[in-house]
Amino acid sequence: GAVVSQHPSWVICKSGTSVKIECRSLDFQATTMFWYRQFPKQSLMLMATSNEGSKATYEQGVEKDKFLINHASLTLSTLTVTSAHPEDSSFYICSALPGLAGAEQETQYFGPGTRLLVL
Amino acid sequence: RKEVEQDPGPFNVPEGATVAFNCTYSNSASQSFFWYRQDCRKEPKLLMSVYSSGNEDGRFTAQLNRASQYISLLIRDSKLSDSATYLCVVKNQGSYIPTFGRGTSLIVHP
Repeated sequence: GAVVSQHPSWVICKSGTSVKIECRSLDFQATTMFWYRQFPKQSLMLMATSNEGSKATYEQGVEKDKFLINHASLTLSTLTVTSAHPEDSSFYICSALPGLAGAEQETQYFGPGTRLLVL
Repeated sequence: RKEVEQDPGPFNVPEGATVAFNCTYSNSASQSFFWYRQDCRKEPKLLMSVYSSGNEDGRFTAQLNRASQYISLLIRDSKLSDSATYLCVVKNQGSYIPTFGRGTSLIVHP
């Protein structure tokens, strides 16, 4: 099956620093990637939809200047948490949709997630 | 009302038991339905899609009730390894963006 990787798998940083998380589709091209955040015992919350070659679409309440998304190629999207604070500590998961943008693909493939701890 | 609702549980069942979860959705235009499984500290993984006529995959059976706007997942002969959180996922017609439920926690004990 399709494989999506994320790097790093976990990160601990000081408050005020920026953290970049990479999401790669390893054996397919993904025009669309999603970024989710999950707090303990809660559901995945969609943060933004990342489209290759265009600006990301952010969900309501998600600050685009704080969570910078870049989808520069068909296999790579990055999420940068700028000036991270302890409340940003969470499990960040990306997923990728194979195929064309806008198509109602049935299956999205998840990366293994990145655990961020901001001290 | 949340778009996708699930009983968070936990459902505590002995090995070999049959357990069922429901998930309700509020948008009647919802078109595609899925069950995902998420283990602790891991990413969600697709368990099965849910088809209008219902579908079965081994010990797992999924059903869709459009009239009442819910989907269900039945697990027969529960195994210890079935312990996980089961996420209900719904996609609306014309959209490729899925909506996740909060998940239902299942604990299967010896």
